[in-house]
Amino acid sequence: AQTVTQSQPEMSVQEAETVTLSCTYDTSENNYYLFWYKQPPSRQMILVIRQEAYKQQNATENRFSVNFQKAAKSFSLKISDSQLGDTAMYFCAFMKHADTPLVFGKGTRLSVIA
Amino acid sequence: AAGVIQSPRHLIKEKRETATLKCYPIPRHDTVYWYQQGPGQDPQFLISFYEKMQSDKGSIPDRFSAQQFSDYHSELNMSSLELGDSALYFCASSDQLPGTDYGYTFGSGTRLTVV
Repeated sequence: AQTVTQSQPEMSVQEAETVTLSCTYDTSENNYYLFWYKQPPSRQMILVIRQEAYKQQNATENRFSVNFQKAAKSFSLKISDSQLGDTAMYFCAFMKHADTPLVFGKGTRLSVIA
Repeated sequence: AAGVIQSPRHLIKEKRETATLKCYPIPRHDTVYWYQQGPGQDPQFLISFYEKMQSDKGSIPDRFSAQQFSDYHSELNMSSLELGDSALYFCASSDQLPGTDYGYTFGSGTRLTVV
């Protein structure tokens, strides 16, 4: 079974600074999908960024980018120019195939400080 | 753009009562997933449906059942409710057609409180 580990339960960052959230996973699959979801205080689950394992290029979405290290099974999220609205719980998630359930990590609570 | 609609948003039930949660996926999405998120926890997969057939089953208690209807909406039925069932229940939908951007779209969730 796949597992996802987020080793940082809580992090804080100053507004406009950069922060990196860590995620490692365990799988025997060669092709799979990785995601970062954001859950603000409203509890809505919002997709931040996705990465297909067969793609070597790291995904980017505006201020959000990932560092995908397939051999190390690592998938970290970098948030640049942090904004107060980035304050949320961030979940790393793994999906084996397109029609299979997501497996979530325990989450990292990020606080952006003014 | 249309999103995943869940109803009700909030629900309060007493122990041993029954609850029904509804989920309306994004139009043309053919797969629906149900997740349970306890307080301070990560979402746990309960069950999923593809084209109205159960496709995967996770840690869903025997007291819970779910189905997907012909219009693709799904219902999660929960009986003999326990205090531990208090949680946020998410529904998500996805489109598995080739070429789509894989990943779910989540609804806003139903917050169930069992008293």
